[in-house]
Amino acid sequence: AQTVTQSQPEMSVQEAETVTLSCTYDTSESDYYLFWYKQPPSRQMILVIRQEAYKQQNATENRFSVNFQKAAKSFSLKISDSQLGDAAMYFCAYNAGNMLTFGGGTRLMVKP
Amino acid sequence: SAVISQKPSRDICQRGTSLTIQCQVDSQVTMMFWYRQQPGQSLTLIATANQGSEATYESGFVIDKFPISRPNLTFSTLTVSNMSPEDSSIYLCSATHVGGWTDTQYFGPGTRLTVL
Repeated sequence: AQTVTQSQPEMSVQEAETVTLSCTYDTSESDYYLFWYKQPPSRQMILVIRQEAYKQQNATENRFSVNFQKAAKSFSLKISDSQLGDAAMYFCAYNAGNMLTFGGGTRLMVKP
Repeated sequence: SAVISQKPSRDICQRGTSLTIQCQVDSQVTMMFWYRQQPGQSLTLIATANQGSEATYESGFVIDKFPISRPNLTFSTLTVSNMSPEDSSIYLCSATHVGGWTDTQYFGPGTRLTVL
């Protein structure tokens, strides 16, 4: 069974600074997809970024980018120029056939 | 991405009763799912809602406790039956939509359930 691990239960960052959230996963599949979701206090799960495992190029969405290391099974999220609105729970997720498996989440706090 | 709504957004229920949660998507979708998020925890898949047939349940979840319907492509319901305080959670539906990435799920706003 696939597992997703987020080793940082909590992280904090100063506004305008950069922070990196870690995620590792375990799979025997070669073709899969990885995601980062954001869940603010409103509890809405918002898709932040998507990565296709067969693509070596790291996905980027504005201030959000990933460092995808397939051999190491690592998928970290970098948030640049952090804003107060970035404060939320962040979940890493894996999909290899319609079923999403989530990590335990990282709570990100942004200090003004 | 599809716009997904859920009703109710929250409810407080008595032990032993049942609650039905509705999920409506604004466009045709390929797949719909139901998740549970217990307090302070991550999301766990309850089942895949199949149009016109029985849902596919994950280990630890059974139809008698969580009956699911999906009468058409854009609507699904989840019932939490014979509730106990342990059922207090956020319940979220998600969908993958026609014309988009079939691997990517978009989520509704969730239903916060408290069982007394």
